[in-house]
Amino acid sequence: GENVEQHPSTLSVQEGDSAVIKCTYSDSASNYFPWYKQELGKGPQLIIDIRSNVGEKKDQRIAVTLNKTAKHFSLHITETQPEDSAVYFCAASIGSGGYQKVTFGTGTKLQVIP
Amino acid sequence: DVKVTQSSRYLVKRTGEKVFLECVQDMDHENMFWYRQDPGLGLRLIYFSYDVKMKEKGDIPEGYSVSREKKERFSLILESASTNQTSMYLCASFGRGGTDTQYFGPGTRLTVL
Repeated sequence: GENVEQHPSTLSVQEGDSAVIKCTYSDSASNYFPWYKQELGKGPQLIIDIRSNVGEKKDQRIAVTLNKTAKHFSLHITETQPEDSAVYFCAASIGSGGYQKVTFGTGTKLQVIP
Repeated sequence: DVKVTQSSRYLVKRTGEKVFLECVQDMDHENMFWYRQDPGLGLRLIYFSYDVKMKEKGDIPEGYSVSREKKERFSLILESASTNQTSMYLCASFGRGGTDTQYFGPGTRLTVL
């Protein structure tokens, strides 16, 4: 089955700096890669996603890149703010509009220091 | 907005008790999931359901069962709770034919004493 590895497990950055979280996956059939943000006491919420036919996607301060050949994808947060502090999960799945099994990474706890 | 709700935010039970965790979604989603979340292990799939009365085992189904009698409701059952089932339990739903996004509830933190 699919295996998703995520690094680092913890990350501290100064406010205004950039943060990068990296994930690798094992199943070349995976074609949908969401990123979730989990704030304290809440369930994970989707912040950005990318499909295998796209190499990069941006949404304001957040961007995700995908390298299908190397089977890795990354989350980039620029100009970090204290409210970006949370646990971030990457995931991989074979998305087709029908049933999907999602495999999650182990999470990265991001701390943004004011 | 999709809303997924879970019956309890915090629950404390004793070893051997039968425990019910309830999840309700309001978006008419076909697929519903139960995960447990433990530090350093991420989210692990316990069971999922792709239709009413249908269920499939996930990666860690031992010690759990599920029930899906209505489309909007998916219940996780711990037949005889044990201390190693102390965890955060997350419910999620996903609509067929839509985006591939799973929507999560707020979680239930279960402590088994």
